[in-house]
Amino acid sequence: QVQLVQSEAGVRKPGASVKVSCKASGYTFTNFGITWVRQAPGQGLEWMGWISAYNGNTYYVHKFEDRVTMTFDTPTSTAYMELRSLRSDDTAVYYCARDRTIYDILNGYYYFDYWGQGTLVTVSS
Amino acid sequence: QTALTQPASVSGSPGQSITISCSGTSSDIGSYEYVSWYQQHPGKAPKLIISEVSNRPSGVSNRFSGSKSGNTAALTVSGLQAEDEASYYCSSYTSSSTLPYVIFGGGTKLTVL
Repeated sequence: QVQLVQSEAGVRKPGASVKVSCKASGYTFTNFGITWVRQAPGQGLEWMGWISAYNGNTYYVHKFEDRVTMTFDTPTSTAYMELRSLRSDDTAVYYCARDRTIYDILNGYYYFDYWGQGTLVTVSS
Repeated sequence: QTALTQPASVSGSPGQSITISCSGTSSDIGSYEYVSWYQQHPGKAPKLIISEVSNRPSGVSNRFSGSKSGNTAALTVSGLQAEDEASYYCSSYTSSSTLPYVIFGGGTKLTVL
């Protein structure tokens, strides 16, 4: 069965960075993309961007593009999302999700069929 | 303010049907078949229940159905059950140059009375 298992919660100080991991299993990792979505406490869902596990193409939402990097490691079927220069309003649960978009974000499916359990990142001094 | 507009809350009694609306524009829902719906129970990850307006993934109850008309999409839950109590989010592709390619609604909390 498809599973996405994320790294544990963490606390970071303002200005620091965080790198969240997402280990996939139960499917061929390179046949899909990985999307990242975050949810601030008590708030809705916010799409952060996408990476193709097939060719490494990425798309970052404009508001994050200066601070985020999405990568993956094929041998371990693990995706990563690093967010830098953290602020208090980055406090949120960060989710990875499987994305059927493989090659190019402009030719996508735009829905996410399996999700990780979420990683709470708390930014506090 | 979110890109797609949903009611904050809806409620219904067990066995009844409810509909959650998701209002967009001609740049998203009105022009594309990329509307999806997610169910989220408290403290849990979202779960895909409808993709591409009306497609139900394998394993999702047929009590959930999706549709759209013009710039508005809708999720209908029939035969309400206690386990349906959750938050529901709509999502769509958008071609707007000022928004990300994927946008979400603000979420609707469904209460089963």
